[in-house]
Amino acid sequence: DTGVSQDPRHKITKRGQNVTFRCDPISEHNRLYWYRQTLGQGPEFLTYFQNEAQLEKSRLLSDRFSAERPKGSFSTLEIQRTEQGDSAMYLCAIVGYEQYFGPGTRLTVT
Amino acid sequence: AQRVTQPEKLLSVFKGAPVELKCNYSYSGSPELFWYVQYSRQRLQLLLRHISRESIKGFTADLNKGETSFHLKKPFAQEEDSAMYYCALSASGNTGKLIFGQGTTLQVKP
Repeated sequence: DTGVSQDPRHKITKRGQNVTFRCDPISEHNRLYWYRQTLGQGPEFLTYFQNEAQLEKSRLLSDRFSAERPKGSFSTLEIQRTEQGDSAMYLCAIVGYEQYFGPGTRLTVT
Repeated sequence: AQRVTQPEKLLSVFKGAPVELKCNYSYSGSPELFWYVQYSRQRLQLLLRHISRESIKGFTADLNKGETSFHLKKPFAQEEDSAMYYCALSASGNTGKLIFGQGTTLQVKP
């Protein structure tokens, strides 16, 4: 079965706080991707993992962002010292026959 | 640079009318092109991919390398087609990351 869950679905935080999102594929998939989608735009690639190795990071991923996939299964995305510009939908995707997207975590930074 | 352009933010048609959602891409190699759709309150999902040359829900898309386009077409729009449509490109080299256009909202009026 192909599926991805993301937690939390919504997060409201104050500027300067740290936040962490989690992505859980239902079954094993080698590749896992993170994207960010701001209002009125298509998703933008952030980073991807092949098993536990982080193989590519976008220039969008500033030093305040870090992603991990410690056992090659679930993945976390942490944003430190959040800024209002970080407000967006953060999407996780896995690759099976297609790139299968999770429901996303909507982050609002106040 | 790799880029996907969807020139229309909104396309509004009446039920039964033909639909064409435009997509142009910029990429020097051999891209793989996709159309993704997002219905209201649902996750992003694959509609079709150019290499499979299939018709899904009555939609088709032909890759035109000369015009660098991958327009999505349907001869007779249905109300249930109302959604956000994203064109996406996966560059050769196979990291699998997707580059998305800005999206087009299709509104099918009764």
